[in-house]
Amino acid sequence: DIQMTQSPSTLSASVGDRVTITCRASQSISSWLAWYQQKPGKAPKLLIYKASSLESGVPSRFSGSGSGTEFTLTISSLQPDDLATYYCQKYNSYFIWTFGQGTKVEIK
Amino acid sequence: QVQLVQSGAEVKKPGASVKVSCKASGYTFMNYGINWVRQAPGQGLEWMGWISAYNGKTNYAQKIQGRVTMTTDTSTSTAYMELRSLRSDDTAVYYCAREGPRGRYGDYAPFDFWGQGTLVTVSS
Repeated sequence: DIQMTQSPSTLSASVGDRVTITCRASQSISSWLAWYQQKPGKAPKLLIYKASSLESGVPSRFSGSGSGTEFTLTISSLQPDDLATYYCQKYNSYFIWTFGQGTKVEIK
Repeated sequence: QVQLVQSGAEVKKPGASVKVSCKASGYTFMNYGINWVRQAPGQGLEWMGWISAYNGKTNYAQKIQGRVTMTTDTSTSTAYMELRSLRSDDTAVYYCAREGPRGRYGDYAPFDFWGQGTLVTVSS
């Protein structure tokens, strides 16, 4: 089974900072990677699909990059509303999805 | 607009079963798969399994295979997840989530819409 590993587990940054979260796959998944945002007490929300495509309605300060086994989610200018936990998800095969363990973003 | 509305919170004793529902609206139910994802308190997201709303085909995560059954009722556009032989570590929020349209997302698809979650507490 392909494992997904995110780093860091937690990060603390100030409003306006550039924030980067990394997700690594144990085997190549091409570009079949999504990023989700989960605010406290809420369901996850799709932000990025196919590694770098922005889901409709998602602010342009969010961007994704990478392919193969290494991927990044970048928030170009952190906003107070971005307080959340972010998850990567691989979906490179039919009917099987796997999440990373999550990265909690805190505002300093 | 697409909506997935789940049933309410449940409290169960160890060894019991629970059945959570997920009623879909705003789209053609049979055209999309439904996934179930759970989240234990303070923990990450765990994919549990997938069901095709078209033909009822399923694929379950190995960890819970044998204890879980996913079904759909196309007449009411509702998906169900039943988990048996409950243990304390099954205490979690359970989410249903729609597999996105492959025409939009490519050969494979992430989850584009989610239910609000159902808290299942297992306690003696």
